Amino acid sequence: KQEVTQIPAALSVPEGENLVLNCSFTDSAIYNLQWFRQDPGKGLTSLLLIQSSQREQTSGRLNASLDKSSGRSTLYIAASQPGDSATYLCADLKLSFGAGTTVTVRA
Amino acid sequence: DAGVIQSPRHEVTEMGQEVTLRCKPISGHNSLFWYRQTMMRGLELLIYFNNNVPIDDSGMPEDRFSAKMPNASFSTLKIQPSEPRDSAVYFCASREEGQIQETQYFGPGTRLLVL
Repeated sequence: KQEVTQIPAALSVPEGENLVLNCSFTDSAIYNLQWFRQDPGKGLTSLLLIQSSQREQTSGRLNASLDKSSGRSTLYIAASQPGDSATYLCADLKLSFGAGTTVTVRA
Repeated sequence: DAGVIQSPRHEVTEMGQEVTLRCKPISGHNSLFWYRQTMMRGLELLIYFNNNVPIDDSGMPEDRFSAKMPNASFSTLKIQPSEPRDSAVYFCASREEGQIQETQYFGPGTRLLVL
């Protein structure tokens, strides 16, 4: 079964700094990889979906890369803002989720 | 579209009672997922339906849990009898499999507390 790991578990940065969130997976035969955001007490909101044949996806200040050979995906958030504070989860859409990285952006 | 709809949003019940959680997926989506989220275990897949048929229920914790999808627009997750360790947030999600962009959409969750 695919195992998905996210490190670090928590991250605190000052406003304006770029964020780098890591996701690693054990099975390189990944299906599609999706990044989600979860605010406290809320559901999961989709941020980016990278198909297994792609290497990256971009949406505004967000960029996600996928390297199947090394079993890694990285989510970059440029010029972080306090509103980016949330938990970010990655998932192989063969249904394995990471535990998430909780991000705090300090004003 | 209203997105994935779940009800109730909050449920408080006593140990031993039956609990039924409901989900309406996004119209046109052919796959539906039930997850459970706790602080200790994170987000766990309980069961996954495709075209109303259960495909993978290996995550269902025990016989006290059952899920049905009688049609493409409705699913239920039932816990009978409920126990305090079932307290968690239960999410339903749906997606349209077979499409290039198989983005998964989550409902707001049902927060269950079993006393």
